[in-house]
Amino acid sequence: DAKTTQPTSMDCAEGRAANLPCNHSTISGNEYVYWYRQIHSQGPQYIIHGLKNNETNEMASLIITEDRKSSTLILPHATLRDTAVYYCIVRVGGTGFQKLVFGTGTRLLVSP
Amino acid sequence: GAGVSQSPSNKVTEKGKDVELRCDPISGHTALYWYRQSLGQGLEFLIYFQGNSAPDKSGLPSDRFSAERTGGSVSTLTIQRTQQEDSAVYLCASSLVPPRGYNEQFFGPGTRLTVL
Repeated sequence: DAKTTQPTSMDCAEGRAANLPCNHSTISGNEYVYWYRQIHSQGPQYIIHGLKNNETNEMASLIITEDRKSSTLILPHATLRDTAVYYCIVRVGGTGFQKLVFGTGTRLLVSP
Repeated sequence: GAGVSQSPSNKVTEKGKDVELRCDPISGHTALYWYRQSLGQGLEFLIYFQGNSAPDKSGLPSDRFSAERTGGSVSTLTIQRTQQEDSAVYLCASSLVPPRGYNEQFFGPGTRLTVL
């Protein structure tokens, strides 16, 4: 699986958009970009994933650059409950075994 | 519906003792995964089950670690002769394995193991 690079930590004011970047310059054509987050003392939680096109769901938006070498997770109106470690993962889609390889992620702190 | 559950939530044991950690996946999920997370670290993959078989055991750190899954449902991770470096949060996840596309993994709350 391709390696990802994320900033160690970020701050965001409550109600503002949180934009979390991820570099995955070695991503290959059949690899998806996934985002998970881990709130303190809980297991990781799936947020969103994408291949080429931008994606949006009820939690977040995912913007993937045209060359697919980087992406940004956007939380449009961050709340205090969004304080967590956010993991960007790339892996092959499709059938079968799908091990998740987590890096150290970005620790997002949302403040009042 | 119910999510992935794990028991116990916390386990404190003495060095050299054996421990068993249990995972109840989401009903109908055929794939089950064990990870562990040491303090301040990312998740480390341990083992994966497809049904009752474990095609990938590559992440098990030593032969003191073993896991089984019965009836395509509950899984048990056993650590024999525990060592202090085994202290970590052990996370279980389950997923569907669709014929095509992604398979989101749903995580349990974890078992915090402390080896004294």
